[in-house]
Amino acid sequence: DIQMTQSPSSLSASVGDRVTITCRASQSISSYLNWYQQKPGKAPKLLIYAASSLQSGVPSRFSGSGSGTDFTLTISGLQPEDFATYYCQQSYSPPYSFGQGTKLEIK
Amino acid sequence: EVQVVESGGGSVRPGGSLRLSCAASGFTFSSYAMSWVRQAPGKGLEWVSAISGSGGSTYYADSVKGRFTISRDNSKNTLYLQMNSLRVEDTAVYYCARGVQSDYYYYMDVWGKGTTVTVSS
Repeated sequence: DIQMTQSPSSLSASVGDRVTITCRASQSISSYLNWYQQKPGKAPKLLIYAASSLQSGVPSRFSGSGSGTDFTLTISGLQPEDFATYYCQQSYSPPYSFGQGTKLEIK
Repeated sequence: EVQVVESGGGSVRPGGSLRLSCAASGFTFSSYAMSWVRQAPGKGLEWVSAISGSGGSTYYADSVKGRFTISRDNSKNTLYLQMNSLRVEDTAVYYCARGVQSDYYYYMDVWGKGTTVTVSS
């Protein structure tokens, strides 16, 4: 099974900051990597699929990059509504494992 | 409106069974793979199971293999998760999600609000 490791586990930042979250796969997953945002008590929301494709309706301040084993999610110009937990997920082969999550908090 | 709505959660004793349902609307259900994802209290997301649009292919996390069965009824636009031999560690919010699949990607783009399963003695 493929293991997904995110870093950092938590992150403090201010409105307007640029932040980067990384995700590493235990083996190559090509570009089969998705990013989700989850707010407390809510269902996850798809942000990025196929490593770098922005889901319809998601603000362009969100971007993704990477391939193989190393991936990043970047948020350029943090907005108050961006403070949430972010998860990466591999969809290369089942079981489609998630990373442990990165909690983005207000500084 | 494209949506999926879960139901069937509840409280059950260890060793018991539950069947979750997920009613889909607003899209051609049989054209999409579907997944179940769960989240234990205060924990991260855990992918549980997936099924192809036709129902011919199913996949499971190791933690539920042999105990949970995913199925779908395309005539009723409904996804199911039969959960047997439930354990305390199966306690979680269970989400149903639509899967979009091609040769180059698979992602879950429509999620329900979740249904809560509590396993306790």
